[in-house]
Amino acid sequence: NAGVMQNPRHLVRRRGQEARLRCSPMKGHSHVYWYRQLPEEGLKFMVYLQKENIIDESGMPKERFSAEFPKEGPSILRIQQVVRGDSAAYFCASSPSLGPENSGNTIYFGEGSWLTVV
Amino acid sequence: SQQGEEDPQALSIQEGENATMNCSYKTSINNLQWYRQNSGRGLVHLILIRSNEREKHSGRLRVTLDTSKKSSSLLITASRAADTASYFCATYNQAGTALIFGKGTTLSVSS
Repeated sequence: NAGVMQNPRHLVRRRGQEARLRCSPMKGHSHVYWYRQLPEEGLKFMVYLQKENIIDESGMPKERFSAEFPKEGPSILRIQQVVRGDSAAYFCASSPSLGPENSGNTIYFGEGSWLTVV
Repeated sequence: SQQGEEDPQALSIQEGENATMNCSYKTSINNLQWYRQNSGRGLVHLILIRSNEREKHSGRLRVTLDTSKKSSSLLITASRAADTASYFCATYNQAGTALIFGKGTTLSVSS
């Protein structure tokens, strides 16, 4: 069973360029989460998506960041016009189902995508 | 915020010793989870304890939960160098849509 797959593992972008990070959830999982981890800090929730729907984007910066999880293909986290402060590790996680009535599900993380903005 | 906060931030011990990490949270929960992160890697789920449980064991791991104090502890017994990692507690937000993590405890086990 393949786990959560993220690519690229490492990405270098110049200021002003766009970064696209991809995430394929575990087989059978239809819920995807994106987190950001700054150096020496914990994970910060960014967004929770189901297929073709954004469920909770309360952690997403208002500008330059967007996420999607299309009917077919991986989830994409897109960062436009990157700045040095965007340098971080971006983690994707997936779960089979989630809801307030079933919020005990473990979520499974990928190995992360390390973005460096130069 | 329902974020857990771990204590201590960093812990250094010798192999064979026990390591205890604590987590405090702010609001009522259905469950609390502990994760481990090795340097440069993703997070790995360790254990989940439900709000009606007081203690749970998994191998060398022992987790306790005190809902009256809104706190949990993770005990690693007979630590090994391979236990060197950061450990995070996590609880769901009130909407049940996001698992919120604390800043973690960095454990260093020397041989």
